[in-house]
Amino acid sequence: EAGVAQSPRYKIIEKRQSVAFWCNPISGHATLYWYQQILGQGPKLLIQFQNNGVVDDSQLPKDRFSAERLKGVDSTLKIQPAKLEDSAVYLCASSLRWQTQYFGPGTRLLVL
Amino acid sequence: KQEVTQIPAALSVPEGENLVLNCSFTDSAIYNLQWFRQDPGKGLTSLLLIQSSQREQTSGRLNASLDKSSGRSTLYIAASQPGDSATYLCAVLSNFNKFYFGSGTKLNVKP
Repeated sequence: EAGVAQSPRYKIIEKRQSVAFWCNPISGHATLYWYQQILGQGPKLLIQFQNNGVVDDSQLPKDRFSAERLKGVDSTLKIQPAKLEDSAVYLCASSLRWQTQYFGPGTRLLVL
Repeated sequence: KQEVTQIPAALSVPEGENLVLNCSFTDSAIYNLQWFRQDPGKGLTSLLLIQSSQREQTSGRLNASLDKSSGRSTLYIAASQPGDSATYLCAVLSNFNKFYFGSGTKLNVKP
C-alpha cells in the first residue's frame, strides 16, 4: 500500500513570496489533514477535510493561508504572502474517519 | 480548550532499560489517543491507538495505557534499543473531532 505523498520536500523562499505544497493521501482515505510543525513543538492542525469539504479550519491563518481538496483526493496548501514565522515543517496526513492517521514525510519550509 | 502535555521533554537511558513516557490531557472527553514516533527529518509513524473505551494496547515491546478519568496515558518501552531513539508524540482526538498533539519526548538510547 502506497503511503501519503508530499512535494516538494524542501523549499526556501523570501518573505512576501508565495509557496504551494501538494499532498496525495492514501487511496480510499476520505479524511485529509494539514499540520504545521514548528521546531521543538508538536504538530498543530491547520485544516481538516472530509472528502472535499472542510471539517475544521479554525487554526488556519486565512489572511495568508488557503487550502483546497479537489475531487476529494489530492490537496494543495498555499501561503501568500509568506512571513518569517511560517518557517516550519508542513505535514499532510490521511485516515479513514476517526481512525489511525498516516503521515507523509513533510515539506520543510524556510522563509528568509 | 484541550491541552496535551508530555513529560519529560527529553530522556536519555542506557540500552536494555525499561522506560515510561508520560502524556497528560486536560479534557477527558476524548474519542481516542494515539502514540506516534518521529525520526529526525521524517513524518510521524503511528505506534498505537487506544479507543476511549480501552485501557491499554500492546505491540511488541510497546505497551500504551489510558486512564481517561485522570487524563493520563503512558507508553512503556521494554528492553530499549538504540534504534528506539526518536521523538515520541501523543495526540488526542476530542469528541468534537479535533486533534491535539503534545510537544513530544525526545528519547536517546545509548549503546
